[in-house]
Amino acid sequence: SAVISQKPSRDICQRGTSLTIQCQVDSQVTMMFWYRQQPGQSLTLIATANQGSEATYESGFVIDKFPISRPNLTFSTLTVSNMSPEDSSIYLCSVRTGGDYGDQPQHFGDGTRLSIL
Amino acid sequence: DAKTTQPNSMESNEEEPVHLPCNHSTISGTDYIHWYRQLPSQGPEYVIHGLTSNVNNRMASLAIAEDRKSSTLILHRATLRDAAVYYCIRPSGNTPLVFGKGTRLSVIA
Repeated sequence: SAVISQKPSRDICQRGTSLTIQCQVDSQVTMMFWYRQQPGQSLTLIATANQGSEATYESGFVIDKFPISRPNLTFSTLTVSNMSPEDSSIYLCSVRTGGDYGDQPQHFGDGTRLSIL
Repeated sequence: DAKTTQPNSMESNEEEPVHLPCNHSTISGTDYIHWYRQLPSQGPEYVIHGLTSNVNNRMASLAIAEDRKSSTLILHRATLRDAAVYYCIRPSGNTPLVFGKGTRLSVIA
């Protein structure tokens, strides 16, 4: 299974600033996703990171707030822009390899724990 | 819409088997059933998945009802390390996983 490394693992930021989270996978993967997990809640999908094109965002998430890059098949970044305390969450990178998608597990990093003061 | 229904919480004694139920009554013939778990301070971890037949791996067993409208994740001997939130998910096509609230499993020593 793919090994996913996220950086930073945690950070404390001032409101109004931006932070870029990196996701590195140890093998090429077909699909990469970004999730958010607010305190005490389940995971919510932010977007699918598409290689070489704009990410596909879920309802309620916009590119200006959460710009995403995916320059190749092993790396992606998520930026949380103009942060406010409501952005305090865990942000998780997730990947899936090719084939029959229903028959393929998704793998997750351990997340970036972000606190906004 | 996670398209599955699970109990909010369950409790088990250490060393005993645990049966975690999941209802997916609207499942289609080609939808797989996936189980993940999330330990404290970690990302979700893949446990097992299946389509029609029962499945076993080193972590757990998955028993799928004959009509596929429900399934049960079986942990054969619960340990304290198995305390986690368990998610039953029914992926659709090549869309990413959609998480519901899952079942919070507590294991009592």
